[in-house]
Amino acid sequence: DIHLTQSPSTLSASVGDRVTITCRASQNINNWLAWYQQKPGKAPKLLISKASNVESGVPSRFSGSGLGTEFTLIISSLQPDDFATYYCHSGMFGQGTKVDLK
Amino acid sequence: QVLLQESGPGLVKPSQTLSLTCNVSGDSISSGYHYWSWIRQPAGKGLEWIGRIYPTGSTDYNPSLKSRLTILLDASKNQFSLKLTSVTAADTAVYYCARFDYTDYRFDYWGQGTLVTVSS
Repeated sequence: DIHLTQSPSTLSASVGDRVTITCRASQNINNWLAWYQQKPGKAPKLLISKASNVESGVPSRFSGSGLGTEFTLIISSLQPDDFATYYCHSGMFGQGTKVDLK
Repeated sequence: QVLLQESGPGLVKPSQTLSLTCNVSGDSISSGYHYWSWIRQPAGKGLEWIGRIYPTGSTDYNPSLKSRLTILLDASKNQFSLKLTSVTAADTAVYYCARFDYTDYRFDYWGQGTLVTVSS
């Protein structure tokens, strides 16, 4: 089974900061990776699929990259609406990265 | 627009069976290029993939739950279900159903989630 490790587990940042979240796979998954954003009490929301395809309606400040075993989600300029928990997924889910206010 | 809605008891006693149903509208669960999945999330913890069912009725399960889990598809009602036997407090969680698009490898539609508490 594929195991996904996200880092960091928690990230404290300010509005306007550039935020980088990493997801590392235990084996080669090509580009079969998606990123989700989840806010308290809500279902996860799809942000990015196939490592770098930003979903329709997702702000352009979100981007994804990576191939094989190393993947990155970048928020270029953090906005108040972006404070949430982020998960990567490929078969299983990563453990999540909570982005909170510094 | 595809909509998914979970339903089932919110309280289950230890050692009993947890049963949930996901009603789907806007898509046919017995055809197409999607898998129909269950995911859960204990309070304050991360997402755990439970399992999925294909339009053909074949299934994949999380190995950690496989011995207790059954996912079924009812094409006549356009819904799929989850049964988890011998539950304990560790099975207390919000349970989500979701559609998985395997061409783009993504969960593109989710239910709102339903809280199931295991307690006597």
